Amino acid sequence: GAGVSQSPSNKVTEKGKDVELRCDPISGHTALYWYRQRLGQGLEFLIYFQGNSAPDKSGLPSDRFSAERTGESVSTLTIQRTQQEDSAVYLCASSSQTGTTGSPLHFGNGTRLTVT
Amino acid sequence: AQSVTQLGSHVSVSEGALVLLRCNYSSSVPPYLFWYVQYPNQGLQLLLKYTTGATLVKGINGFEAEFKKSETSFHLTKPSAHMSDAAEYFCAVSESAAGNKLTFGGGTRVLVKP
Repeated sequence: GAGVSQSPSNKVTEKGKDVELRCDPISGHTALYWYRQRLGQGLEFLIYFQGNSAPDKSGLPSDRFSAERTGESVSTLTIQRTQQEDSAVYLCASSSQTGTTGSPLHFGNGTRLTVT
Repeated sequence: AQSVTQLGSHVSVSEGALVLLRCNYSSSVPPYLFWYVQYPNQGLQLLLKYTTGATLVKGINGFEAEFKKSETSFHLTKPSAHMSDAAEYFCAVSESAAGNKLTFGGGTRVLVKP
């Protein structure tokens, strides 16, 4: 079956513009995660969805960042008034369950965001 | 709070030589530990994980890692490097075996020389 799909794969935007990044998780996966990878750095956790609710938003760096998930499927990460420091690869991952045991995270190929 | 440190952002090995990637972690709870690999132009894939039980964990493609609690380490090894092992490797720690809210290290890029 298909893996985690992210679009667009690359996005170049001007400082101050809003962007929307999309993630299509593996069908049936209830948990969905967003991570950010800045150049030369590890992955930073942004937000986690269980179903359509987000019990953990602790990683969102500012109120310019928001995310939603509908139909326990597609998720969008929105960055308003983009800044140059937002330039990074945004990775989405999904898994079939959460808790003490469960399947590992399956990652998409990411969206490379460049803010000029 | 959890953290992960990977020693060396770049490692170069000869084909057939030992691959050793170092990972040290800090965690306030018993950790669950993971290694992910990212091949060029691909998403991250789980290589192996330690949850409970045997401290020597075997993963895909001949890799293995050993959890050493006394050293707070989870180093990744492969006895003989292959050209196809060229990739970026990430060590991660989680509070759950499912590895949902992962804390990642900075990654180590492996170059394999013929």
